[in-house]
Amino acid sequence: AQSVTQLGSHVSVSEGALVLLRCNYSSSVPPYLFWYVQYPNQGLQLLLKYTSAATLVKGINGFEAEFKKSETSFHLTKPSAHMSDAAEYFCAVSRFGNEKLTFGTGTRLTIIP
Amino acid sequence: DSGVTQTPKHLITATGQRVTLRCSPRSGDLSVYWYQQSLDQGLQFLIQYYNGEERAKGNILERFSAQQFPDLHSELNLSSLELGDSALYFCASSSRTSGITDTQYFGPGTRLTVL
Repeated sequence: AQSVTQLGSHVSVSEGALVLLRCNYSSSVPPYLFWYVQYPNQGLQLLLKYTSAATLVKGINGFEAEFKKSETSFHLTKPSAHMSDAAEYFCAVSRFGNEKLTFGTGTRLTIIP
Repeated sequence: DSGVTQTPKHLITATGQRVTLRCSPRSGDLSVYWYQQSLDQGLQFLIQYYNGEERAKGNILERFSAQQFPDLHSELNLSSLELGDSALYFCASSSRTSGITDTQYFGPGTRLTVL
């Protein structure tokens, strides 16, 4: 069975500061890993995905994530937070991209002006 | 806009009732997934259809059923509704080519409130 754990249900950062959202995975097979963002009253939007092609994955809106097998981690980062980044972020894992996603519990990101 | 549409956007109904949620996938996508998002359970996979056939089942209650039609749209039927069924129901689609690196694109969701 596959699972992801997101550390920190709430994260607050100042505008312009580094954003770091943590995700650790558990998988018996090489995983496919995803970060999705959910803005209030909206659906889930894909930020980026890891499909074993490259360990450092760049996504939309300046976000990136690094797959670290030794640490079973796939943390999401952004060098400089913007007010528009305030949202809920979900890490997800699947065996393959066309199979069910197993989501973490989400991290709500608040940006302090 | 992901290209996945869901109707209705909001649904308010009473316990014991039956409702149908509808999803239209992105043009050309063959797979449809249904997920439930609730405060206590988080985001959970319910069921997947691929080109009209059920492909995978998750934590879907027996009171719930789904199908995918020849035009590839899908419907999720929820019956004998209980207060605990109140949640946001998402549809996602993928697999224009059934590739293992596919991405699931999510619709805006249907918010179901059971009173």
